[in-house]
Amino acid sequence: EVQLMESGGGLLQPGGSLRLSCAASGFTFTSYWMHWVRQAPGKGLVWVSRINSDGSSTHYADSVKGRFTISRDNAENTLYLQMNSLRAEDTAVYYCVRSWYYFDFWGQGTLVTVSS
Amino acid sequence: DIVMTQSPDSLAVSLGERATINCRSSQSVLYSSNNKNYLAWYQQKPGQPPKVLIYWASTRESGVPDRFSGSGSGTDFTLTISSLQAEDVALYYCQQYYDTPITFGPGTKVDIK
Repeated sequence: EVQLMESGGGLLQPGGSLRLSCAASGFTFTSYWMHWVRQAPGKGLVWVSRINSDGSSTHYADSVKGRFTISRDNAENTLYLQMNSLRAEDTAVYYCVRSWYYFDFWGQGTLVTVSS
Repeated sequence: DIVMTQSPDSLAVSLGERATINCRSSQSVLYSSNNKNYLAWYQQKPGQPPKVLIYWASTRESGVPDRFSGSGSGTDFTLTISSLQAEDVALYYCQQYYDTPITFGPGTKVDIK
């Protein structure tokens, strides 16, 4: 059974840092590109970042470029999102997503709240 | 960036009736080398992550009921629910995966009339 389990969310102040993790199981992790997508409370879906299967190529939304870093550990079947200089507008549920072109499997998400 | 728009914002349909959602992209998402439209539809129910319904604009994901269908090409696409069931109450999003940044439509809320 395919599973994506996010962790690392929480409440923090503006300017803080957080690292999200996504543990993958039930499929060959190294065969897939992976993404982070976020959803602010009551709002729509916003793509954040993607990484290719071997970690050699990454891409970011303009809103997080220079502040967030996506990475993966293929030996541990884990995806990461390092989030620095957090702002109130980064408050959202962050989903870890597997893709084979389209987004074919989503984790349950982890909530990040940035507030003073 | 490719901007995705959806219409209507919301709709209420009687049980057993047809629901139609439209999606438009600001530029074509048809890749000429393979003749595929890089367009997907997702369903999201409250408190749950999105789930893919349709990809390549018209291919139904495994396990998705055949009352869901997708059509269109280039810049204009449609998701049709042929006979609305109670469990179809949800938000529906279109998405282009033709180019980064990957972008989603704003969503369409489907309710029972």
